[in-house]
Amino acid sequence: DGGITQSPKYLFRKEGQNVTLSCEQNLNHDAMYWYRQDPGQGLRLIYYSQIVNDFQKGDIAEGYSVSREKKESFPLTVTSAQKNPTAFYLCASSDYTGELFFGEGSRLTVL
Amino acid sequence: GQNIDQPTEMTATEGAIVQINCTYQTSGFNGLFWYQQHAGEAPTFLSYNVLDGLEEKGRFSSFLSRSKGYSYLLLKELQMKDSASYLCAVTPPGTNAGKSTFGDGTTLTVKP
Repeated sequence: DGGITQSPKYLFRKEGQNVTLSCEQNLNHDAMYWYRQDPGQGLRLIYYSQIVNDFQKGDIAEGYSVSREKKESFPLTVTSAQKNPTAFYLCASSDYTGELFFGEGSRLTVL
Repeated sequence: GQNIDQPTEMTATEGAIVQINCTYQTSGFNGLFWYQQHAGEAPTFLSYNVLDGLEEKGRFSSFLSRSKGYSYLLLKELQMKDSASYLCAVTPPGTNAGKSTFGDGTTLTVKP
């Protein structure tokens, strides 16, 4: 089955730690995205990539970093510079229409 | 920039019809998506409007008026499983079609 796989589903981070969220897709989509969702709010774009070895900042990129070394993979690192990282993180890829196909999400909690 | 407005919460009765509105003001527009998101889960695609008019898909329909910057999602014959958040998302023109801007979502509660 084609889809987006995110891991881990739940993650706990101590203050000052970097953590990396994995995102893999087998839909053969060129474009991939990371969104953040806080309770009662919509999705806000962190980073996106339209092609391998290229990515752009979204609306809330500060404190995050990404890489796109392979078409299938788009990991997100939440760095210690992100002051309020507790949130639900969603990875997605899109087809030519712009329809987003989401992974199951990763819930990050700072201890 | 983009500004998208949706009601925060709505309540309806099982078997009824509910309309969820979305208004937007954008610097560029290609299309409008509606997604459904159950609590703690990822959003899933419901509908996509590019041209003005009504798109019907089973119990769900979506309408778009580009001149008015307005869309609605119509849910008929409501079921308890329709209790969820409904997200309106606008996509820009060009190659960034997937770079959607989302509204804050409308939480729909369906009561027996």
